[in-house]
Amino acid sequence: GAVVSQHPSWVICKSGTSVKIECRSLDFQATTMFWYRQFPKQSLMLMATSNEGSKATYEQGVEKDKFLINHASLTLSTLTVTSAHPEDSSFYICSARDRLFPAPYNEQFFGPGTRLTVL
Amino acid sequence: AQSVTQLGSHVSVSEGALVLLRCNYSSSVPPYLFWYVQYPNQGLQLLLKYTSAATLVKGINGFEAEFKKSETSFHLTKPSAHMSDAAEYFCAVSVRIGGGTSYGKLTFGQGTILTVHP
Repeated sequence: GAVVSQHPSWVICKSGTSVKIECRSLDFQATTMFWYRQFPKQSLMLMATSNEGSKATYEQGVEKDKFLINHASLTLSTLTVTSAHPEDSSFYICSARDRLFPAPYNEQFFGPGTRLTVL
Repeated sequence: AQSVTQLGSHVSVSEGALVLLRCNYSSSVPPYLFWYVQYPNQGLQLLLKYTSAATLVKGINGFEAEFKKSETSFHLTKPSAHMSDAAEYFCAVSVRIGGGTSYGKLTFGQGTILTVHP
């Protein structure tokens, strides 16, 4: 099946620094990628939808300037957490939809997630 | 807007017993429904999906789910649990009708952790 990777798998940073998380579709091209946040023992919450070559669409309540998303190619989207604070500590998950199968009933392929801890 | 409720954050069964994980949805438009499984340190994997064809949907690893519009439910079942089924399971809904800000997005339930005892 299609594979989505994330890098890094975990990261620890100091408060006030910025952290970049990469999401790559390894064996397919994705015009649309999604970024989720998962708190312990809670569900995945969609943060933003990333479209290749255009600006990301953020969900209500998600700060655009804090969570910068770039989808520069059909296989790579990045999430940058700027000026990270302890409350940003979470599990960040990306997913991607194959551009050949864009309909909403088609599968999203999920990355393994990135654990961010801000000290 | 759509939403999903999974009843029971933890379900424990014996190996060989029936597995039943409950999912109820709310959607103002006809939904697509999905069940995903998440093993530790792995990404979510699609088990099965309902896309308005047959209401009884069969998935991988012996799982199946039935779409019941009257009950707004999409419960996941497996006749006989295996130790390897221990994982976290997520029910999700997606909007079917094009346009609007919700099109194509997945809304997840809270997740159910399945434990299988020997």
